[in-house]
Amino acid sequence: AQSVSQHNHHVILSEAASLELGCNYSYGGTVNLFWYVQYPGQHLQLLLKYFSGDPLVKGIKGFEAEFIKSKFSFNLRKPSVQWSDTAEYFCAVNGRSGSARQLTFGSGTQLTVLP
Amino acid sequence: NAGVTQTPKFQVLKTGQSMTLQCAQDMNHEYMSWYRQDPGMGLRLIHYSVGAGITDQGEVPNGYNVSRSTTEDFPLRLLSAAPSQTSVYFCASSYSKFNEQFFGPGTRLTVL
Repeated sequence: AQSVSQHNHHVILSEAASLELGCNYSYGGTVNLFWYVQYPGQHLQLLLKYFSGDPLVKGIKGFEAEFIKSKFSFNLRKPSVQWSDTAEYFCAVNGRSGSARQLTFGSGTQLTVLP
Repeated sequence: NAGVTQTPKFQVLKTGQSMTLQCAQDMNHEYMSWYRQDPGMGLRLIHYSVGAGITDQGEVPNGYNVSRSTTEDFPLRLLSAAPSQTSVYFCASSYSKFNEQFFGPGTRLTVL
């Protein structure tokens, strides 16, 4: 069975600090990986995705993530956060075999950026 | 192009009442799904559909029914509301279960 673990439940940073949010998954085969963001009171939006190829993927708003297959990780990074990045961030995984379960989400990380 | 739309945005029910949450998409996506979001638990899949006439259960299907008579619409029915169903419900759609999903704005449901 596939699962996703986000170790940081709440992260508080000051503006201009660097960000790294951890995401680890468990699945025995090839995966598609996603990071979604949910701004206060809004629906989920896709930040970035990894299907194949270059394990360093760039998304919107200066976010990037690195897929490390050996560590089953897909950590999200941003070199300098802004107050407007305050939101909840969800990592999600989907196994690529036909029998794989549907998209599985982590429990989310609430990011608060202090001005 | 409206994307994924959901109605209502807010709803308060009494225990035992039934209701239907509406979801529609105009992107011609085959795959649609319903999630519930609860604090500290992320999103959990309730039901999903891979095309008109085909639905299946997700992780937490009990107390919910779905149908998919058209590609565009995927309503979620609460048969007999319980306080444990108090949650925020999101509908999503995508080309397939492997692709990125597009989410609707959500329905905040309170069951008293």
